[in-house]
Amino acid sequence: DTAVSQTPKYLVTQMGNDKSIKCEQNLGHDTMYWYKQDSKKFLKIMFSYNNKELIINETVPNRFSPKSPDKAHLNLHINSLELGDSAVYFCASSRIEGVASQETQYFGPGTRLLVL
Amino acid sequence: GENVEQHPSTLSVQEGDSAVIKCTYSDSASNYFPWYKQELGKRPQLIIDIRSNVGEKKDQRIAVTLNKTAKHFSLHITETQPEDSAVYFCAATLGTLGRLYFGRGTQLTVWP
Repeated sequence: DTAVSQTPKYLVTQMGNDKSIKCEQNLGHDTMYWYKQDSKKFLKIMFSYNNKELIINETVPNRFSPKSPDKAHLNLHINSLELGDSAVYFCASSRIEGVASQETQYFGPGTRLLVL
Repeated sequence: GENVEQHPSTLSVQEGDSAVIKCTYSDSASNYFPWYKQELGKRPQLIIDIRSNVGEKKDQRIAVTLNKTAKHFSLHITETQPEDSAVYFCAATLGTLGRLYFGRGTQLTVWP
């Protein structure tokens, strides 16, 4: 009954490599998000897609490129990985129904990225 | 944008005592305030939320209060148990894009 799933769960790689993280939700939501959680546990939004359209693009290095092939999937590709990219990356999804109806965001299990 | 401040950063209580975590926000247009619990190595999970047209909401041992005038909201946990130990995040949503602005988290430890 996994609602939001991510792969891989762990990712250990060398500096300079390119890697991708995948996210899928089966909740029928129209909006998906990528968050980065640093070593101090701070959760910060990176990107958001609504119906496959990019709607939130925070100040993130352009080495990070999200892609949403359909409403149920949101992937994150990272080029030229750096030590500072080491963090836990969470995918989340929700349904947006206008100003009056903010819906709960459900998080995936996270991808623990370690760049050596 | 929105700025969410959360206090305290750590909180230790004895089992059975109450715990209170407080958050303030900066933008009076914020309209949705969820609280998430994150256990070690796990994902953040919603435990309770409140919308701007409500002043208080309760769910068993957990309650949230919202003071729109003062722009602050609080999480109250009564009769704490060791399994309540986790990091708790408050958040505020501004606008229609679902953007959540998180506080920096409170590490709650409940001692048996």
